[in-house]
Amino acid sequence: EFVLTQSPGTLSLSPGDTATLSCRASQSITKNYSAWYQQKYGQAPRLLIYATSTRATGIPDRFSGSGSGPDFTLTISRLEPEDFAVYYCQQYGNSLTFGQGTKLEIK
Amino acid sequence: QVTLRESGPALMEPTQTLTLTCTFSGFSLTTGGMCVSWIRQPPGKALEWLGRIDWDDAKYYNTSLKTRLTISKDTSKNQVVLTMTNVDPDDTATYFCARLLVVPGDGAYYNYYMDAWGKGATVTV
Repeated sequence: EFVLTQSPGTLSLSPGDTATLSCRASQSITKNYSAWYQQKYGQAPRLLIYATSTRATGIPDRFSGSGSGPDFTLTISRLEPEDFAVYYCQQYGNSLTFGQGTKLEIK
Repeated sequence: QVTLRESGPALMEPTQTLTLTCTFSGFSLTTGGMCVSWIRQPPGKALEWLGRIDWDDAKYYNTSLKTRLTISKDTSKNQVVLTMTNVDPDDTATYFCARLLVVPGDGAYYNYYMDAWGKGATVTV
């Protein structure tokens, strides 16, 4: 079974800090790609990053993605108040899979 | 502008069959690389992918739910329908549909990502 494990589960930071969110795949698939989504309470997820490092339309350059199988990272620089939310990684192993999420909260 | 909207019953009884409709606009599900996915999220929990239907009518399902799920499309109405049989309280969730893009990447590998989502339909069993 292909599983994505996100860490940490919760990240407490202050506006202006840099957040580093990790996503590890249970199997390393050569040239697998990751996507990242942001979800605020009561809203649908929003695509931030696809193809591991490409920002979706309208996403500020404070958001960046990197990595290769099995480890992927979402970095958010200069945190703004609106960045505090839950973040999910997603990959395609044997099927489309989401991680369990990282909650980014205000310290 | 791509939009998607889920519709269906808000309240179900155990053992019933759930039918949700995703009505979309701004793209065609006959265009290569276009797919629609269904995803659900139980209260306070993570996203769970349920399945997808592709432009060529190929269908893929979450293996743990495969026997209970059917996804179909009506391209003339720009709709995708999810049916889930024999629901129980564990199926209580917000159900999202999303446009899934399948884009060739490096070599034989593909990018899969969902760039537009509906607002979700809350279903309580």
